[in-house]
Amino acid sequence: DVKVTQSSRYLVKRTGEKVFLECVQDMDHENMFWYRQDPGLGLRLIYFSYDVKMKEKGDIPEGYSVSREKKERFSLILESASTNQTSMYLCASTLQGGVGGYTFGSGTRLTVV
Amino acid sequence: GENVEQHPSTLSVQEGDSAVIKCTYSDSASNYFPWYKQELGKGPQLIIDIRSNVGEKKDQRIAVTLNKTAKHFSLHITETQPEDSAVYFCAASFGGYQKVTFGTGTKLQVIP
Repeated sequence: DVKVTQSSRYLVKRTGEKVFLECVQDMDHENMFWYRQDPGLGLRLIYFSYDVKMKEKGDIPEGYSVSREKKERFSLILESASTNQTSMYLCASTLQGGVGGYTFGSGTRLTVV
Repeated sequence: GENVEQHPSTLSVQEGDSAVIKCTYSDSASNYFPWYKQELGKGPQLIIDIRSNVGEKKDQRIAVTLNKTAKHFSLHITETQPEDSAVYFCAASFGGYQKVTFGTGTKLQVIP
C-alpha cells in the first residue's frame, strides 16, 4: 500500500516559533501537496511540488514556505507561527498526471498558543 | 480559479436508506471529479472518480453522476450502512488532475 507518513499527529507551538511539518511518501510519487483543513472551509491548498526542488504556491501560501530536497520528502515551514495557523495540516501525494488520485497522510493537528 | 460548492454540510439518514451529496463547480474547463471519504482521525481516501467524458459511474453501492452543462455532479450511496458514516468531499480539477479544488465537505451520519 502507498503510505504517506506525517511526522507528528499533534503539535503545540508558541506564537512566533518556526515550525516544521514533515511528510514522507514511500511510492516514488512525483507530486506532493500540503493542505490545511478547517471546519466549514474544506481543504485548502497551501503549496505543491511537481518534482525535487520545484514548488508552486497554492491558494493560501501566505505565512508558509516549503522544501523538497528529496523526492520522497516534502516539508511545510511556518516561518513565524501565529494563532490563525492553528489547524489540521494534511500532506498528500500522487503520481504524475494524478493517476489513482491523491493519497493522504493522517494529518498533523497544530495548535499555536 | 475553480470554486466548488458542496451541499448539504450535514446529512443524517437511517440505515438502509439512500444518501445524496451534491456539488457544483465554476470552471467549465474542469474535467476530473473525484470524491473522498474521511473517517475520524484519518486522512481523506479516494472512493470514486469520474471524468468529463462520462455521465455516470457506479461501484457497488456508490455512484457518481455528472451534468457538464449545469456544472453539477453528485454522489449517491444506496443501502447505507453505519460504516458509511464519515465526512465526504467532492473535488474538481483540470488537465493533469494534479491540482484539485475541494468542496467544503458533508458530514454523513448513518443511524442504525
